[in-house]
Amino acid sequence: AQSVTQLGSHVSVSEGALVLLRCNYSSSVPPYLFWYVQYPNQGLQLLLKYTTGATLVKGINGFEAEFKKSETSFHLTKPSAHMSDAAEYFCAVSEMGNTDKLIFGTGTRLQVFP
Amino acid sequence: DTAVSQTPKYLVTQMGNDKSIKCEQNLGHDTMYWYKQDSKKFLKIMFSYNNKELIINETVPNRFSPKSPDKAHLNLHINSLELGDSAVYFCASGRLDRDTEAFFGQGTRLTVV
Repeated sequence: AQSVTQLGSHVSVSEGALVLLRCNYSSSVPPYLFWYVQYPNQGLQLLLKYTTGATLVKGINGFEAEFKKSETSFHLTKPSAHMSDAAEYFCAVSEMGNTDKLIFGTGTRLQVFP
Repeated sequence: DTAVSQTPKYLVTQMGNDKSIKCEQNLGHDTMYWYKQDSKKFLKIMFSYNNKELIINETVPNRFSPKSPDKAHLNLHINSLELGDSAVYFCASGRLDRDTEAFFGQGTRLTVV
């Protein structure tokens, strides 16, 4: 069965600092991996996704993530945090080629301090 | 033009009532979903429909009944509402094996009092 673990339910950084949100997955088949962002009282917006090919994936708003099969990880990074990045971030996995569901992690709340 | 739209955005109702949440997508996707987000922000799939047919039912109580009149609509009807049903319900559409992405609506915050 697939699962996603997000280490750290809360992450706080200063504006301009590096953002690192951790995600580890478990999947018996090649996974598709996603990062979604949820701003307060909003729906989920896709930041980036990995399906196949290049393991370093760039997304919107300056975020990127690297798929590391050996570590079963898909950590999200941004070189310089902005106040507007404050939100809830969700990592998700689905099985490649399967019109099945997204399995979400428990989310990480990112706070950005001035 | 909103890709996935849900109505209403907020719903406050008493225990025991029956309520519906509507969802429409204009993306031409074959597959639609309902997800539930609990008070701890945990997201879990409830149902998945593909071309109006039920694909996934994640052991959701029978009080929850999805209805898909056509592939652009997936409504969620809830009977005999309980306090524990209070949550944010998200509709989504996509085709994970082709679009490799699910597009989410803005959510419906259901509060049962």
